[in-house]
Amino acid sequence: DAGVIQSPRHEVTEMGQEVTLRCKPISGHDYLFWYRQTMMRGLELLIYFNNNVPIDDSGMPEDRFSAKMPNASFSTLKIQPSEPRDSAVYFCASSLAGVDTEAFFGQGTRLTVV
Amino acid sequence: AQSVTQLGSHVSVSEGALVLLRCNYSSSVPPYLFWYVQYPNQGLQLLLKYTSAATLVKGINGFEAEFKKSETSFHLTKPSAHMSDAAEYFCAVSLAGTYKYIFGTGTRLKVLA
Repeated sequence: DAGVIQSPRHEVTEMGQEVTLRCKPISGHDYLFWYRQTMMRGLELLIYFNNNVPIDDSGMPEDRFSAKMPNASFSTLKIQPSEPRDSAVYFCASSLAGVDTEAFFGQGTRLTVV
Repeated sequence: AQSVTQLGSHVSVSEGALVLLRCNYSSSVPPYLFWYVQYPNQGLQLLLKYTSAATLVKGINGFEAEFKKSETSFHLTKPSAHMSDAAEYFCAVSLAGTYKYIFGTGTRLKVLA
């Protein structure tokens, strides 16, 4: 398997625009996670899915953020409208079932909102 | 609530010296603990994990960590640092009964020639 695939790797957008980040998890993984990494706050869990169903979205910062997982092989994280403080690296990760299993991370999307 | 604390945001060691990166956890139940490494412009990669089997856990690239319940610690060590070990290291705990991984703030390791 090619691992967790995220696109785009880099995104620069203007404040107020809609941004969509994409993720393809490892085939067969039951769980998908979206994380945000910033210098100030480190790695924060935004939301995670189990079998395409959102389980916990308590980390989503505002209503401007939304995430979907229409099928087992695809997820999106959307920010509308984007703001400069959303600038960060966004990681998608996936894992098998089992609380002791590790999460496999994608290479991340570096988002810059100007 | 469960959490992890990493002491030292930056650690410098000489090539060939011992690497010691500290992680303490807070958990009301036996935790699952992980160490991840992040190289520049890359995602996180698992180094090793503790899942209540052996207290001394060996990982990739010569790293190991020891789970000490009495000290609530899970420090990462490597006997001899290599230049390629320069990266950021994250300790993480998964909350019992959930799949939420809580990460520490990270320790950036610098290896001096």
